[in-house]
Amino acid sequence: KQEVTQIPAALSVPEGENLVLNCSFTDSAIYNLQWFRQDPGKGLTSLLLIQSSQREQTSGRLNASLDKSSGRSTLYIAASQPGDSATYLCAVNSGANSKLTFGKGITLSVRP
Amino acid sequence: ETGVTQTPRHLVMGMTNKKSLKCEQHLGHNAMYWYKQSAKKPLELMFVYSLEERVENNSVPSRFSPECPNSSHLFLHLHTLQPEDSALYLCASSQAWVASSGNTIYFGEGSWLTVV
Repeated sequence: KQEVTQIPAALSVPEGENLVLNCSFTDSAIYNLQWFRQDPGKGLTSLLLIQSSQREQTSGRLNASLDKSSGRSTLYIAASQPGDSATYLCAVNSGANSKLTFGKGITLSVRP
Repeated sequence: ETGVTQTPRHLVMGMTNKKSLKCEQHLGHNAMYWYKQSAKKPLELMFVYSLEERVENNSVPSRFSPECPNSSHLFLHLHTLQPEDSALYLCASSQAWVASSGNTIYFGEGSWLTVV
């Protein structure tokens, strides 16, 4: 059974800092991994999708990496801004039924 | 705007009420999902529909009843719920349900349900 862990549960940083959010998963036989952003009271917005054959994906100030063999992914946010404050969720697509397994998320607060 | 619309955004219902949540996707996708998000817990997959056929039911109590009349619409009918069912219910869609390395999933804004 796939399990996804995101630690820490919450993170507070000053504006301008570069930061790394971590995600680990137990079963390395995955199809892809997605990072989502969720603002309070809102749905999930897909940020980046990394296919199993890829090592990283970039979108603007965001860079996500994938190391299947070690069961890890990181989301790198460059020059953080207060508008980046949100909960970031990692989800792994694996299993015969292409099931998405989510972590509990990391709640990020960027202080002005 | 993700292309997945959910109504209502907020719903308060008594334990004896019957209500429904509605989801509509404008992306031409073939798979639709219901997820439940409770405080301090990961998102839980409830139901999956592929081409209007239910393909997964994750041991969800019968007081939750899904309906998929066509590939663009998905409903979640609610009946005799419990206070612990209070949560954010998220609808999502993707191009296909089957295992695919490039299958991105798109979520709606969610429906906040409070059972009193």
